[in-house]
Amino acid sequence: EPEVTQTPSHQVTQMGQEVILRCVPISNHLYFYWYRQILGQKVEFLVSFYNNEISEKSEIFDDQFSVERPDGSNFTLKIRSTKLEDSAMYFCASSDPLRDSNEKLFFGSGTQLSVL
Amino acid sequence: GDSVTQMEGPVTLSEEAFLTINCTYTATGYPSLFWYVQYPGEGLQLLLKATKADDKGSNKGFEATYRKETTSFHLEKGSVQVSDSAVYFCALSDRSNYQLIWGAGTKLIIKP
Repeated sequence: EPEVTQTPSHQVTQMGQEVILRCVPISNHLYFYWYRQILGQKVEFLVSFYNNEISEKSEIFDDQFSVERPDGSNFTLKIRSTKLEDSAMYFCASSDPLRDSNEKLFFGSGTQLSVL
Repeated sequence: GDSVTQMEGPVTLSEEAFLTINCTYTATGYPSLFWYVQYPGEGLQLLLKATKADDKGSNKGFEATYRKETTSFHLEKGSVQVSDSAVYFCALSDRSNYQLIWGAGTKLIIKP
């Protein structure tokens, strides 16, 4: 079964550094998402992306965050200047509204970001 | 705003026990409801869903019924196995923007 893949599985960075989290969504999917889960807290929506632009974003997704689909397969989340509170598990997801509707999201296994 | 409340874990049961994990929600409109599961070391997987009142979602022996009158979507399984040990998340989808609103997750531990 096709799956969403995320790399790296674990990223450690120093506060103030830029990080890029990478995701390869399922190939024929059209909508892409980033969620995050701070340890012990709820999963939180960050952003959704469709047709090469952001379709929705949460309050968490401030100017420090950006997303990009640099080619036909990758979907990246960039944090420009990481803060300690950015430490979390970041999940990428994709969906195919033509087949499953936007309500069925396929998630990657996550990238654990640790900011020191 | 919309929200989801789940029972706190961990929930510890013996193999073959009956499982209930409670989930209630608040929402304007008519959301779709989901249960996602996260096995150790893995990502989130959709377990089951229901899109309208009185719908029952089912998968892998798990069931949940969309109860509009009690705003609930409790997850049940008649006989759990050790392999069911995981974290279970209840979520709702606002159909206007398809954002998922998540519960805090309930860790389930099944002992042989």
